[in-house]
Amino acid sequence: AQSVTQLDSHVSVSEGTPVLLRCNYSSSYSPSLFWYVQHPNKGLQLLLKYTSAATLVKGINGFEAEFKKSETSFHLTKPSAHMSDAAEYFCVVGDVRGDKIIFGKGTRLHILP
Amino acid sequence: EADIYQTPRYLVIGTGKKITLECSQTMGHDKMYWYQQDPGMELHLIHYSYGVNSTEKGDLSSESTVSRIRTEHFPLTLESARPSHTSQYLCASSDLGSRRNEQFFGPGTRLTVL
Repeated sequence: AQSVTQLDSHVSVSEGTPVLLRCNYSSSYSPSLFWYVQHPNKGLQLLLKYTSAATLVKGINGFEAEFKKSETSFHLTKPSAHMSDAAEYFCVVGDVRGDKIIFGKGTRLHILP
Repeated sequence: EADIYQTPRYLVIGTGKKITLECSQTMGHDKMYWYQQDPGMELHLIHYSYGVNSTEKGDLSSESTVSRIRTEHFPLTLESARPSHTSQYLCASSDLGSRRNEQFFGPGTRLTVL
């Protein structure tokens, strides 16, 4: 069965410093992986996705993630945080049939001025 | 413009009332989903559909029901709302032909049952 673990429930960084949100997955096959962002009182927006092409995936708003099979990780990074990045971030793994996706518990990113 | 719409965005209602949460998409997608999200928590799948006249229960047990009479419409109904149903409900859709799981989400309905 597939599963995903987000290692930090809360991350705080200062504006202008790098962001790292950690995600590990478990899957018996080559997974599809996603990062979604949810701003307060808003729906989910897809940041980026990995679907077995390039291991370094670039997304919107300057975010990127690297798929590392040996470490079963898909960490989300951004070189320089902006106040508008404050939100909840979900790491997501897709199931083998393509029917469903499984969400991590989320990481709340706080940006300090 | 292709999008997913949910109404109402916010609903406060008394115990025992029947409610229907609406979800419509103009994405041309066959698959649609309903998720429940408690504050500060992850999303849990409660219902999904492969297309017209198809409905399946998700991973989290729910007292709600769904119907899929039209491709673009996937309403969720609670026959008798209770305070335990207070939550955010998110609708999503994806392309049946896609094997890579990408789903597109609506803005959500925040339900409060008093």
